[in-house]
Amino acid sequence: NAGVMQNPRHLVRRRGQEARLRCSPMKGHSHVYWYRQLPEEGLKFMVYLQKENIIDESGMPKERFSAEFPKEGPSILRIQQVVRGDSAAYFCASSPADTEAFFGQGTRLTVV
Amino acid sequence: KQEVTQIPAALSVPEGENLVLNCSFTDSAIYNLQWFRQDPGKGLTSLLLIQSSQREQTSGRLNASLDKSSGRSTLYIAASQPGDSATYLCAVSPSSGSARQLTFGSGTQLTVLP
Repeated sequence: NAGVMQNPRHLVRRRGQEARLRCSPMKGHSHVYWYRQLPEEGLKFMVYLQKENIIDESGMPKERFSAEFPKEGPSILRIQQVVRGDSAAYFCASSPADTEAFFGQGTRLTVV
Repeated sequence: KQEVTQIPAALSVPEGENLVLNCSFTDSAIYNLQWFRQDPGKGLTSLLLIQSSQREQTSGRLNASLDKSSGRSTLYIAASQPGDSATYLCAVSPSSGSARQLTFGSGTQLTVLP
């Protein structure tokens, strides 16, 4: 059973481009969480999804950020028109239900 | 709003020492508390998870305790090794609400000197 898989591991985007971060949860897990770790800061919750539903997006910036978890395929965190301040490590975690969440290796986004 | 504080922010010890990392949280209404390890440029590895009804958990040289009423947890590392060098994060999960959101502390950066 592979762990939570995130890709790409590293992503470089120019200001104004779009960034798409993918997360494949562990097999059998239907709950996905996205967190962001800004430089020199702790991880902050962004969004919690179940299959085809956004359950809680209270940590998502109001503009440019969106997330989905379709019936088939990975969860996607999409950042439109990236700015330098979006540079961070984005971590995905999954769980089978209200239990321990397992984290992926993260995607490190650098906006140049 | 839950806040998690970890003290100290950084710690350097010689190999072989026993050490304690501290974590405090402001809202005692938690579902569980987890300790993670983060290596530079890498992801998070869950070390120990303590349910709110438990007092402690042990795994090898690691022992984590939880005092929910006082809002404190400690991570005890016995006989430290250079390979233990990493950032240790404490995170709590709320018992209320429909989503399970972890609130993280900013971590303790541990360096074990050979």
